[in-house]
Amino acid sequence: DQQVKQNSPSLSVQEGRISILNCDYTNSMFDYFLWYKKYPAEGPTFLISISSIKDKNEDGRFTVFLNKSAKHLSLHIVPSQPGDSAVYFCAANRGSTLGRLYFGRGTQLTVWP
Amino acid sequence: DVKVTQSSRYLVKRTGEKVFLECVQDMDHENMFWYRQDPGLGLRLIYFSYDVKMKEKGDIPEGYSVSREKKERFSLILESASTNQTSMYLCASRDGPATYEQYFGPGTRLTVT
Repeated sequence: DQQVKQNSPSLSVQEGRISILNCDYTNSMFDYFLWYKKYPAEGPTFLISISSIKDKNEDGRFTVFLNKSAKHLSLHIVPSQPGDSAVYFCAANRGSTLGRLYFGRGTQLTVWP
Repeated sequence: DVKVTQSSRYLVKRTGEKVFLECVQDMDHENMFWYRQDPGLGLRLIYFSYDVKMKEKGDIPEGYSVSREKKERFSLILESASTNQTSMYLCASRDGPATYEQYFGPGTRLTVT
């Protein structure tokens, strides 16, 4: 049963515009959220994270927003660049010291010139 | 710099063979993880380990086993490979309890024929 859901398998955005990737979760015990980016034939790389005590975290062109009441988070990329084209995974942790993450199924972002 | 290496990038095995996938991390991390990635299914956790000789089942452990004899090395074993185990296998590691970020290796593309 998917506890972390990315309902859009793909997103296509023009270069320079904003990309918004969405993620929903069902488990109210989740208290830390991460976004990973994955290029073909490579392992995922960490992008940005947010703790449940915050509602926003920024890092350069990337901003993650968390809406705990809606159990929803989103990743904003502004401005989008062709090099951002990749699969983006949302992940969550429920405060376990074992560090297990629950991943969504991913969203393929394509940024076209 | 954090480094997670996997023994092979590409592997082709026959049905029924015993397959070993090796993962090594050089960061003295406590936790290590094995995932498989399949199109449309995202990252699914097979097994993870929180200490030497300690392991926990993930969401899809059937048909797999693991071994962690040394802290830096985590092996995934397919006891009798089957065609439905054709997939991309990703290893990850995580430092102690202070962070949830996982560092991934480049992946092993396994084909079972």
